[in-house]
Amino acid sequence: GESVGLHLPTLSVQEGDNSIINCAYSNSASDYFIWYKQESGKGPQFIIDIRSNMDKRQGQRVTVLLNKTVKHLSLQIAATQPGDSAVYFCAEGVEYGNKLVFGAGTILRVKS
Amino acid sequence: NAGVTQTPKFRVLKTGQSMTLLCAQDMNHEYMYWYRQDPGMGLRLIHYSVGEGTTAKGEVPDGYNVSRLKKQNFLLGLESAAPSQTSVYFCASSHDRGSGNTEAFFGQGTRLTVV
Repeated sequence: GESVGLHLPTLSVQEGDNSIINCAYSNSASDYFIWYKQESGKGPQFIIDIRSNMDKRQGQRVTVLLNKTVKHLSLQIAATQPGDSAVYFCAEGVEYGNKLVFGAGTILRVKS
Repeated sequence: NAGVTQTPKFRVLKTGQSMTLLCAQDMNHEYMYWYRQDPGMGLRLIHYSVGEGTTAKGEVPDGYNVSRLKKQNFLLGLESAAPSQTSVYFCASSHDRGSGNTEAFFGQGTRLTVV
């Protein structure tokens, strides 16, 4: 499997609890933000995105919060399941631009 | 519908050798990207393309070249491999960001080791 997670921050949660993964972004001009999930040995998978004109967006079991004042993004996972164990990346991009900048990632470990 | 397919999945190269990584997508996406992922770091953009026949540099383009001769294919070349290029390489594709769809689809990755 991947060794990408060796030096990343780790969040350990009990199955059934809620998880909150945080991300600080760098570009105040970014128009949208995306959360990706990467399981061992696989490519990143899109979870949810949010535009800069929003401060909250909900999906299935996930909520993304955006605080532009402090350039902070969070991903909340409700009722965390073992299948949620993965590395989570936030990414930021500019509308009509082509460069998506990824953060370093956070490992989520779910204990049964 | 296979999505994004990368070949090969694994490769070991000797320093100075050359190779080409192939990425193919069947979603008719305009944009394609090559990223590298190193331990403890997020994905870093090497090169990208906004359409057939176009390419542009990303964050870490040195030592790599790309070509997009067909819309569905994006090739990443290493002319003279170096140990610093040992990494996992991901290809991705997406619609034009102006379409409002931000989702990029990633391939399974190519693990490259340069010895």
